Amino acid sequence: GIQVEQSPPDLILQEGANSTLRCNFSDSVNNLQWFHQNPWGQLINLFYIPSGTKQNGRLSATTVATERYSLLYISSSQTTDSGVYFCAVGYSSASKIIFGSGTRLSIRP
Amino acid sequence: EAGVAQSPRYKIIEKRQSVAFWCNPISGHATLYWYQQILGQGPKLLIQFQNNGVVDDSQLPKDRFSAERLKGVDSTLKIQPAKLEDSAVYLCASNAGTSPTDTQYFGPGTRLTVL
Repeated sequence: GIQVEQSPPDLILQEGANSTLRCNFSDSVNNLQWFHQNPWGQLINLFYIPSGTKQNGRLSATTVATERYSLLYISSSQTTDSGVYFCAVGYSSASKIIFGSGTRLSIRP
Repeated sequence: EAGVAQSPRYKIIEKRQSVAFWCNPISGHATLYWYQQILGQGPKLLIQFQNNGVVDDSQLPKDRFSAERLKGVDSTLKIQPAKLEDSAVYLCASNAGTSPTDTQYFGPGTRLTVL
């Protein structure tokens, strides 16, 4: 089946720093989403981005489908950005998605 | 708009006991998912319903896990008998349709500890 790898597994930054999270996938996909899981376990969808670039405030994401990777950028990090960021991909006409193992981001004040 | 509701939030049982989790999706959402999230891993899909029919249960350990979605609304996930390796957070999610573009909305999860 399709493999989803995220890097780095852990990232510790000071408040105000910028970060780049990477997601590599092993096969063509028609669905790629980024999620944030906060320290209390709540999963929130950030982006649906099977290709191209999107921005939402301090967050932006770029997917290069032909090279099978996606990047999530977080600028001017805040402590509320802490948590685990997951990339999830889908490859069929259905809505099933497969999650990577996540990047754990810790923002220190 | 109310979010996805799950109960209980926490459950501790001994191995070989039975346990059931409940999920109430967002009103009007046709598709409902149950995921298992083991500590340090991403969520893994166990079963997907569209209305009250099963779309995908390929990763559901059917010898011990069962799920139903009567009347196409609420859903229950049952484990009988539980094993130590079933300790995980069980997440329920829903979305309005089956298109890949439909955002999945997740509940707060049920944390299961099997002793």
